[in-house]
Parts: sequence; structure tokens; C-alpha cells
Amino acid sequence: QVQLVQSGAEVKKPGASVKVSCKASGYTFTSYDINWVRQATGQGLEWMGWMNSNSGYTGNAQKFQGRITMTRNTSISTSYMELSSLRSEDTAVYYCARGPPIHDWYFALWGRGTLVTVSS
Amino acid sequence: DIQMTQSPSSLSASVGDRVTITCRASQSISSYLNWYQQTPERAPKLLIYAASSLQSGVPSRFSGSGSGTDFTLTISSLQPEDFATYYCQQSYSTPLTFGGGTKVEIK
Repeated sequence: QVQLVQSGAEVKKPGASVKVSCKASGYTFTSYDINWVRQATGQGLEWMGWMNSNSGYTGNAQKFQGRITMTRNTSISTSYMELSSLRSEDTAVYYCARGPPIHDWYFALWGRGTLVTVSS
Repeated sequence: DIQMTQSPSSLSASVGDRVTITCRASQSISSYLNWYQQTPERAPKLLIYAASSLQSGVPSRFSGSGSGTDFTLTISSLQPEDFATYYCQQSYSTPLTFGGGTKVEIK
């Protein structure tokens, strides 16, 4: 079925990096953008960035400039989001979310989320 | 960045009630406004896109309206499964931004 399956929870120390994967199935991977959204415990939703799964073109929120890298491997229909220089404030659930078939910015398909805990 | 302000931040309602949640943008976003529902420990679920278009599979008791800076999500008759947190999101420009959420609780 159509789904996004994310990698498992991670625990990282401050200053480290984390790489979260998001494997797509049930649809043509390169036809849809993938976005990344995070949510700290008990908090709201925060958009981090997006990637065109076909071209690999990316864009991100200024807040994460220099710290976020989004990539993909089309042969295995998987997107990746790497966040570096982690700090405690980066502790959150990270979601990948698929945009509609025409480049737009709403998300009907989400992964289940990956909890990233940053702690010394 | 476009700021999205939701009100109220929480509300208590009973099954069968009509519920209205508002979302205001800090600048005009035309109809580039989407609504999501989130229950605990779950990913958000898209309810409404482009201000008033009902996402496939979403019950018709959900509706959206508005344009410019002021938007509304209405649940015509609240059902037990509707107790959740609701978020608006603007898709007019990046960075995409979400409202702070409205938690709908059981009265």
C-alpha cells in the first residue's frame, strides 16, 4: 500500500549528527516531493525543508540553514534528512511527508515519525 | 515568515456540537491554507486543502472556509473520534508555517 516508512528512534549527544530515512512504497517515488516536519514533545509542527525526489533539488527553512542535508536514493525509493550540530532543542519527532502530485505544499501522506533525543 | 494564529488554543465540546476553529495569517495568503487533525502519538492527518477542498476520505462534517487572512474550520456535528488537536498551515510561501494548534476536548 501507499506508505512512508521511517527509520527507528535515535539517541544522540550534543554536537553529533543524525540521519533519518523515509522509504516510500506503493507509488512512483520520483513523482512526489518529500518534506520534513518536526514536533517537539507537546509542541506544534515545524516545517524544516523539502526535496524534489526526481531532481534532488532541495529547499529549507532559514532556521536550519547549514545544518540540514536532504538527499535521496531513487533506486530504493528512500529519502534522507540529516541534521548536524545537534542540541537539546532538536529533541523531537521528525516526520517525512509527501506533497501532492503537482508541486504544492500540503501533505496527505505522512510517515509515523522518528523520535530523535539529544542528550548528554 | 508568515505567522499563523489559531484560536482558541483549546475548547471543550460535547458529541453533536458544532465546533468552529479560526486561523489568521499575518499577511494575505489567498486560499493557500490547509487543515490537519492530530491525535496523540500519531502523525497529522490532512482534512482540508486550499482552504475549502475536502481531502478524499474525510467525513463531510468537516468543512473549511475563508481567504486572504481569515480562515475557519468547522465540524458540523462533533463525533467521539474528532477529539484531537487541529492545526492550520499556510502553503503560500516558504518557510511553510503552522498555527499553534487547537485542542478539542470532551466536555
